[in-house]
Amino acid sequence: KAGVTQTPRYLIKTRGQQVTLSCSPISGHRSVSWYQQTPGQGLQFLFEYFSETQRNKGNFPGRFSGRQFSNSRSEMNVSTLELGDSALYLCASTLLPGNQPQHFGDGTRLSIL
Amino acid sequence: GQNIDQPTEMTATEGAIVQINCTYQTSGFNGLFWYQQHAGEAPTFLSYNVLDGLEEKGRFSSFLSRSKGYSYLLLKELQMKDSASYLCAVIKAAGNKLTFGGGTRVLVKP
Repeated sequence: KAGVTQTPRYLIKTRGQQVTLSCSPISGHRSVSWYQQTPGQGLQFLFEYFSETQRNKGNFPGRFSGRQFSNSRSEMNVSTLELGDSALYLCASTLLPGNQPQHFGDGTRLSIL
Repeated sequence: GQNIDQPTEMTATEGAIVQINCTYQTSGFNGLFWYQQHAGEAPTFLSYNVLDGLEEKGRFSSFLSRSKGYSYLLLKELQMKDSASYLCAVIKAAGNKLTFGGGTRVLVKP
């Protein structure tokens, strides 16, 4: 069974641009969560989607948004990029929301110049 | 809010045992996860505790005390490949949001 797939793996953008990252969960998994990982802040929760609805949102500005499609694939978007947005963005999936192990993708490494 | 603390770094010798502690303060606690993350790779699930006590899985064991807000991950018979960061994460009753500690980098020396 294929794992969580994130594309692209690496991305370089400049300040002020916007970016869209994609996540395909494990087949059959319907819950998708996004996290940002930086050396200074560690792993921080961005948002969680289930059945195309955002169920939880972390403490990030409105420039960070996401959505989930009917096939459970998810995208996150960051607008007006800032240098501080440079990070590894990780997506994780579970069958259903709740206290189940989340399976992470390899992430998208975003660098802002 | 939530506060999750774990040591930043630990060093141990191949074949030895290392215990990584994690303390947390949270309301609505619904379980604690341990993940392993090698540099440049995705976190991988190691263990999950929701009730007090010890869960053993091969060389790795995890312990939870809910009344003390305390967990530890025990790594036995250390191997060089165990050099990685170990992340403690708490999940609350509602939803799928994991709140992570800063991670403990474990260096295994020959």
